[in-house]
Amino acid sequence: DAGVIQSPRHEVTEMGQEVTLRCKPISGHNSLFWYRQTMMRGLELLIYFNNNVPIDDSGMPEDRFSAKMPNASFSTLKIQPSEPRDSAVYFCASSPGTGSSGANVLTFGAGSRLTVL
Amino acid sequence: DAKTTQPPSMDCAEGRAANLPCNHSTISGNEYVYWYRQIHSQGPQYIIHGLKNNETNEMASLIITEDRKSSTLILPHATLRDTAVYYCIVRVRIDMRFGAGTRLTVKP
Repeated sequence: DAGVIQSPRHEVTEMGQEVTLRCKPISGHNSLFWYRQTMMRGLELLIYFNNNVPIDDSGMPEDRFSAKMPNASFSTLKIQPSEPRDSAVYFCASSPGTGSSGANVLTFGAGSRLTVL
Repeated sequence: DAKTTQPPSMDCAEGRAANLPCNHSTISGNEYVYWYRQIHSQGPQYIIHGLKNNETNEMASLIITEDRKSSTLILPHATLRDTAVYYCIVRVRIDMRFGAGTRLTVKP
């Protein structure tokens, strides 16, 4: 398996521009998570989906952020308009959901490093 | 969800065992203990998890106290490549929320 695939790996944009980050989860995984990591705030959970349905978006910072999962193999995180404070590494992760043991293990992608000038 | 407490940093000599503690005194009966690590700016990597019993895999061992209020992650023979931030998470739901973790530095 290729693992969780994120694109782009690096994005540099100017304030006010729209940014779209993409994620392909591991095939067969039914839960998908978006995280943001900064030096100041650490690793924050933004939103997660189960069976393509958003379950908890309480971590989404504001209305400029939106996430979609149109099918089981693709998700996007969009920032419009972008601001310098959105500069961070954004990680996508997927998991099988609750396994037979009751535990749940996340597999993370390599991340998308966003710089907003 | 139970809160976890980890030391902010630790050092370990290469080749020696690294023992990383985690306190989770408010853990409930159905909450699992998970350990992940993050090497430099890579995505977090799953290491091991447990509920009540001690667990071992090819990466590490997890020792959970009998009262489940604390646990220790053991890397039996630490190498320089084990330098990373290690996160202890106690969770029952499917979403993982990360704290500050312990920054482990393995020194030659």
